[in-house]
Amino acid sequence: QQQVKQSPQSLIVQKGGIPIINCAYENTAFDYFPWYQQFPGKGPALLIAIRPDVSEKKEGRFTISFNKSAKQFSLHIMDSQPGDSATYFCAASKGYSTLTFGKGTMLLVSP
Amino acid sequence: DAGVIQSPRHEVTEMGQEVTLRCKPISGHNSLFWYRQTMMRGLELLIYFNNNVPIDDSGMPEDRFSAKMPNASFSTLKIQPSEPRDSAVYFCASSLLLAGGTDTQYFGPGTRLTVL
Repeated sequence: QQQVKQSPQSLIVQKGGIPIINCAYENTAFDYFPWYQQFPGKGPALLIAIRPDVSEKKEGRFTISFNKSAKQFSLHIMDSQPGDSATYFCAASKGYSTLTFGKGTMLLVSP
Repeated sequence: DAGVIQSPRHEVTEMGQEVTLRCKPISGHNSLFWYRQTMMRGLELLIYFNNNVPIDDSGMPEDRFSAKMPNASFSTLKIQPSEPRDSAVYFCASSLLLAGGTDTQYFGPGTRLTVL
């Protein structure tokens, strides 16, 4: 089964810190890598996504770094805020196919 | 747009009872997904439909689970009989999945199921 391995399972940072969440994939045919954000009591929502033709994408305080040769991608949150406390899921898909999700990372940003 | 609508939001039932979860996808979307989320197993895809047809049900745990999509605006996930280990949050998601496109899924608020 196609897998996306996500780490760490949980992460605590202080306000202003830069949490980094990592994902690794096996299938080199994957060509779309989104990150979803889930707040307690809510469904996951698309946060940011990247294609493998670029190594980095920024949207506000959120950055995806992509390493095609290592088959890894990561999410960085700059100047993290308590409101960023949530569960983050990485995912991947290839072409016209559905997403394969990682197991999720629970992030807590302390005030 | 109202987004993906799920009902009920919470369901508490006793072991052995039938449970039916409902979902209304975003209008115009052609794909619908049912997920189960637990602390132990994370977000698991149970089944997905494309144009109302079940495409992949390999994630359905066992015969006690069944899903239907009678039309483009409604889907159900049924558990009969329910067991305590089915307790989880069940999400429905929808997307517009087109050739050459990407699968951006929009999730509903989920149904928290507790089986006593």
